[in-house]
Amino acid sequence: AQKITQTQPGMFVQEKEAVTLDCTYDTSDQSYGLFWYKQPSSGEMIFLIYQGSYDEQNATEGRYSLNFQKARKSANLVISASQLGDSAMYFCAMREGGGYSTLTFGKGTMLLVSP
Amino acid sequence: ETGVTQTPRHLVMGMTNKKSLKCEQHLGHNAMYWYKQSAKKPLELMFVYNFKEQTENNSVPSRFSPECPNSSHLFLHLHTLQPEDSALYLCASSQDLSPHPNEKLFFGSGTQLSVL
Repeated sequence: AQKITQTQPGMFVQEKEAVTLDCTYDTSDQSYGLFWYKQPSSGEMIFLIYQGSYDEQNATEGRYSLNFQKARKSANLVISASQLGDSAMYFCAMREGGGYSTLTFGKGTMLLVSP
Repeated sequence: ETGVTQTPRHLVMGMTNKKSLKCEQHLGHNAMYWYKQSAKKPLELMFVYNFKEQTENNSVPSRFSPECPNSSHLFLHLHTLQPEDSALYLCASSQDLSPHPNEKLFFGSGTQLSVL
């Protein structure tokens, strides 16, 4: 079974609008971390935002916020005021705590921002 | 200079060739990783090194041979590859293999490999 599910292969948004990229996860651990990475056409994976399972408040980093709903096991990325440079692949990832575990990634969502 | 540098950016090789991918990190990290990114599939972890010691080999075929001479450099030696090995190979680093969930990875731009 997939541990990270991103159901949107592609999303389109107009410049200056907000967009939500979906991510659901599966774990039985109590301690875990959720990450979002951006991959532009250059190939580099760029860290955007992190949410810990024990964090009570949703994480925010500039125009990025993470809508964390623990009971639903969802960690959606919200990008406010989209910019043309936001066009890229976006990956949700999880690290399960309790041991030296590595990141598990979803399949990604391609976001296209139009003028 | 970016934190994690990979060379070459692009590589085309025949199935009988031997080539190597190089990764260098300038972040003072102790853990380094190789990931494979194929079209329409999640990133696949291949190898993990921590303080130059291999800690994980994710059932990778022996035609892929990693080498980590020090904490700053990581190589992936390739020989007798198959066309299905064509993919983007990403290198990453982290401070170390922390038991804490918030340890994030820093990635390079990858090597786009095509096997003919």
